[in-house]
Amino acid sequence: DAGITQSPRYKITETGRQVTLMCHQTWSHSYMFWYRQDLGHGLRLIYYSAAADITDKGEVPDGYVVSRSKTENFPLTLESATRSQTSVYFCASSESAGRRGADTQYFGPGTRLTVL
Amino acid sequence: AQSVAQPEDQVNVAEGNPLTVKCTYSVSGNPYLFWYVQYPNRGLQFLLKYITGDNLVKGSYGFEAEFNKSQTSFHLKKPSALVSDSALYFCAVRDRGRDDKIIFGKGTRLHILP
Repeated sequence: DAGITQSPRYKITETGRQVTLMCHQTWSHSYMFWYRQDLGHGLRLIYYSAAADITDKGEVPDGYVVSRSKTENFPLTLESATRSQTSVYFCASSESAGRRGADTQYFGPGTRLTVL
Repeated sequence: AQSVAQPEDQVNVAEGNPLTVKCTYSVSGNPYLFWYVQYPNRGLQFLLKYITGDNLVKGSYGFEAEFNKSQTSFHLKKPSALVSDSALYFCAVRDRGRDDKIIFGKGTRLHILP
């Protein structure tokens, strides 16, 4: 039972390069989320998705692009990486987050991204 | 807009003593409230949540939290701390019925001293 996985776990890239972080979940959860974790800021939501082909911006979406063609995958792309995007990125999923309930989010192990 | 505050960056507690990690929130409606824990080099793990009903919520690893609507607080507590409880703790809130997003606090690092 893999749950939710992220790849790569560690990535070093250079300013201006495009980087894609992968997230895959095996539960068929409707909702998926991308967060970044930085000292002094805690966890901040980048983008989220309520279902396949439905995505919405979070608190800090600038410089990021997401897609969700399949329920189980939610890749995050940095189109032109900047040093300020050096961070630890977490993907999460939940069964639902709508008015009927407040379901638990399940987090992946994270990707540590360094932009030089 | 919803927000959540964890006023302490770090809390130090001696092993065996009771611990409290503070959280206050702000929402325009009624809240869903959560606590998560993060161990080193790991993702966040769910501890407990408040949706409705009893103000005292019990969760994993002996933790509990008390919802106080008048003080807009949701403090995490444990009667007797263990060294293994040392970790980073996050409080989170969602405005019930208004938004799909959960907003996390900045986290409180809990150190349990042997």
